[in-house]
Amino acid sequence: EVQLVESGGGLVQPGRSLRLSCTASGLHFGDYAMTWVRQAPGKGLEWVGFIRAAAYGATTDYAASVKGRFSISRDDSKSIAYLQADSLKTEDTAVYYCNGRLVRGNDVSDIWGQGTMVVVSS
Amino acid sequence: DTVVTQSPLSLSVTPGEPASISCRSSESLLHANGYNYLDWYLQKPGQSPQLLIYLGSNRAPGVPDRFSGSGSGTEFTLKISRVEAEDVGVYYCMQARQTRAFGQGTKVEIK
Repeated sequence: EVQLVESGGGLVQPGRSLRLSCTASGLHFGDYAMTWVRQAPGKGLEWVGFIRAAAYGATTDYAASVKGRFSISRDDSKSIAYLQADSLKTEDTAVYYCNGRLVRGNDVSDIWGQGTMVVVSS
Repeated sequence: DTVVTQSPLSLSVTPGEPASISCRSSESLLHANGYNYLDWYLQKPGQSPQLLIYLGSNRAPGVPDRFSGSGSGTEFTLKISRVEAEDVGVYYCMQARQTRAFGQGTKVEIK
């Protein structure tokens, strides 16, 4: 079964750090671009950032709201993508989803995890 | 930053009737390769988002053909030819031409 499973969420104090993991199974992880998207309670989707596949240099891009505080990495040998979130703010409270996308010609594979909740509060 | 703006923000539709959602971008999403970097997603209540349309008009695998995407440059539309009860949820467009960004979302409910 093709799936992505997020982990690492929880309660964290403002200013502290958290590392989220996204573990893939049933797919050739190294071919996929991996994205993190978040959703604050009762709000819409917010794109956080992504990392391209190694074949495209594993380059990253981030939303302005998290740039300089969050970083995304990947370990293709373990089929895991990470979101390192530093200097957390209360407004970072959200469900964090990971997404994997592979486009080959006219075909696409687009997979989402179930999300992990992060609460930033003192 | 490239901003995408959806309209309307909510829609109430009778089953079997068509529905249409607009997405307008602050900058052109048309790449020199001829593709429009605009996706449509649906988030059903209590679920993760799911991809409906990618590159402006390509239906994702498993998506019913009552869903279609059109448009180019800065103006895009998602159309549902005949709305069904299972189509309720929030629809988002997302531009992928520059640093990605979602629209505000359009909540679709059944009358």
